[in-house]
Amino acid sequence: GEDVEQSLFLSVREGDSSVINCTYTDSSSTYLYWYKQEPGAGLQLLTYIFSNMDMKQDQRLTVLLNKKDKHLSLRIADTQTGDSAIYFCAERVGGGGNKLTFGTGTQLKVEL
Amino acid sequence: GAVVSQHPSWVICKSGTSVKIECRSLDFQATTMFWYRQFPKQSLMLMATSNEGSKATYEQGVEKDKFLINHASLTLSTLTVTSAHPEDSSFYICSAELGGNNEQFFGPGTRLTVL
Repeated sequence: GEDVEQSLFLSVREGDSSVINCTYTDSSSTYLYWYKQEPGAGLQLLTYIFSNMDMKQDQRLTVLLNKKDKHLSLRIADTQTGDSAIYFCAERVGGGGNKLTFGTGTQLKVEL
Repeated sequence: GAVVSQHPSWVICKSGTSVKIECRSLDFQATTMFWYRQFPKQSLMLMATSNEGSKATYEQGVEKDKFLINHASLTLSTLTVTSAHPEDSSFYICSAELGGNNEQFFGPGTRLTVL
């Protein structure tokens, strides 16, 4: 079955880089996503990566995928207080339609 | 573009009543919409996949008679929580799929509190 795990909490200082990690179990994942959720709000898609890619960079965001270890990470450069939120990784599995399985979520707190 | 709205944004109701939540894609047509449930400090759990003009596909453990889903048009899906009880209190989030690139756009969520 599908199981996506994340560490629960990460605290960084403003200006530092943040790295949020995610592990998944289903090797047939086709796409892997990172979403951001602010308090009381829905989800905002930040970025996604195809399963045949190793890395994707989009401005301050860098996604690394280690398919062998089923490990996904999101690096946020120059983290700002506005980046404080909960970050979810999600996988879409081939043959499962377009259903997404979400990770447990990582709360990022950015301190001054 | 690709905006999804939900209505209401929050609702408080008495135990035993039914509550309807609307999910609308405002600027695109969505053949598929998804309904999720999120408990405090937890992840999103997919409840059902809703396809326009056909019956919804429910995830294992989700009671279809309790959570009625109607997807009558390409821009509107509704979730009705029937005979709501306090344990149904949760944050309900919908998403709509933009056909072609399979990207899901999420609504802002509806917080349901059942007294």
